[in-house]
Amino acid sequence: QKEVEQDPGPLSVPEGAIVSLNCTYSNSAFQYFMWYRQYSRKGPELLMYTYSSGNKEDGRFTAQVDKSSKYISLFIRDSQPSDSATYLCAMRDIIQGAQKLVFGQGTRLTINP
Amino acid sequence: KAGVTQTPRYLIKTRGQQVTLSCSPISGHRSVSWYQQTPGQGLQFLFEYFSETQRNKGNFPGRFSGRQFSNSRSEMNVSTLELGDSALYLCASSFTGDGYTFGSGTRLTVV
Repeated sequence: QKEVEQDPGPLSVPEGAIVSLNCTYSNSAFQYFMWYRQYSRKGPELLMYTYSSGNKEDGRFTAQVDKSSKYISLFIRDSQPSDSATYLCAMRDIIQGAQKLVFGQGTRLTINP
Repeated sequence: KAGVTQTPRYLIKTRGQQVTLSCSPISGHRSVSWYQQTPGQGLQFLFEYFSETQRNKGNFPGRFSGRQFSNSRSEMNVSTLELGDSALYLCASSFTGDGYTFGSGTRLTVV
């Protein structure tokens, strides 16, 4: 079983829809939770990161973390065709000062005009 | 402010050869990490360097190695290339570890 599970999709929605992307994880030691967006032939771009349980909003994006359920979500409001990309959740794992990111598989999202 | 720069962008190598990839982090970032991205396995952690010291290593064979220089620039090396090493290799730099900025990657094809 992978440490981070993410539905790979693909997910296709009409422009203007609210998009919900989700990840579950098994390691309760994970502390920082991130969402990255990756366009084709590009590196991942950090969208949001959060430490604690609860919601964090940035424009049309809202990140939600529920540590008790080991579940994180990213909501995109008023989705635009330019939001079409692969979205990756990532969690920071720290062991004795050594750190790394553990990624979900990524969800491929298409916003249809 | 310049982002993370990876060179070269594309590489084609033959099985058995070795390859060296380069990464220049954002100015002031001392932590540099490397990841391998493939369609089947997704993004997997290779190693992390901080102030020229390897702090963490992923579950990859010894053919994968890296180093970091005093100016924080980093290189990774893969020896005795195998077909399965074909992937997008991504470098990420961080100042505090709260957020990692990735480069555009080097796409390596092994034939």
